[in-house]
Amino acid sequence: GAGVSQSPSNKVTEKGKDVELRCDPISGHTALYWYRQSLGQGLEFLIYFQGNSAPDKSGLPSDRFSAERTGGSVSTLTIQRTQQEDSAVYLCASSPLRNTEAFFGQGTRLTVV
Amino acid sequence: AQKVTQAQTEISVVEKEDVTLDCVYETRDTTYYLFWYKQPPSGELVFLIRRNSFDEQNEISGRYSWNFQKSTSSFNFTITASQVVDSAVYFCALSEPGNNNDMRFGAGTRLTVKP
Repeated sequence: GAGVSQSPSNKVTEKGKDVELRCDPISGHTALYWYRQSLGQGLEFLIYFQGNSAPDKSGLPSDRFSAERTGGSVSTLTIQRTQQEDSAVYLCASSPLRNTEAFFGQGTRLTVV
Repeated sequence: AQKVTQAQTEISVVEKEDVTLDCVYETRDTTYYLFWYKQPPSGELVFLIRRNSFDEQNEISGRYSWNFQKSTSSFNFTITASQVVDSAVYFCALSEPGNNNDMRFGAGTRLTVKP
């Protein structure tokens, strides 16, 4: 089947606006991760969902960031009142079980102007 | 606290040279998992290997090999006879069941292989 799908692939938004980034994981994968990658930088962990357990939100940088995963499948990362420092590539990954190989999407490149 | 350290920010080699990418990790768990991923210029991360903490056997896959040493908390990656197509950013990652199982990445090493 299809791999991890993220939409949109690119998003340009004005400072102060809210944005929603979507991730469609591979069907049947119980684990889902969100990461942020600034230009030329490493992967910054944001949030992790595992099945129906409460998500690990320890990586969310501020209360402007939130994420949900509906029905154990699709996930949405929401950034409220965007700031220029939020500009980055947001990567989503899923894996079939905890601690196994993660499959990454192509990412959403967010630019806040 | 930094869980995964990749001290080499950038490495440049000439084609056919061997190159080793270092990864040092930190954990209090006895059970944990280590990974290497490759991010080519296209941007999509590609899984290379997964190793659990109970398996210290070194692994070889073609020109790639991995050296896992618990005594030094290291999981180094060697590319033998490097090729231009190996140019990418390589990330080491750690997953700890005792820490919610989330996967934490190192800062990455940018490898450039020149013809």
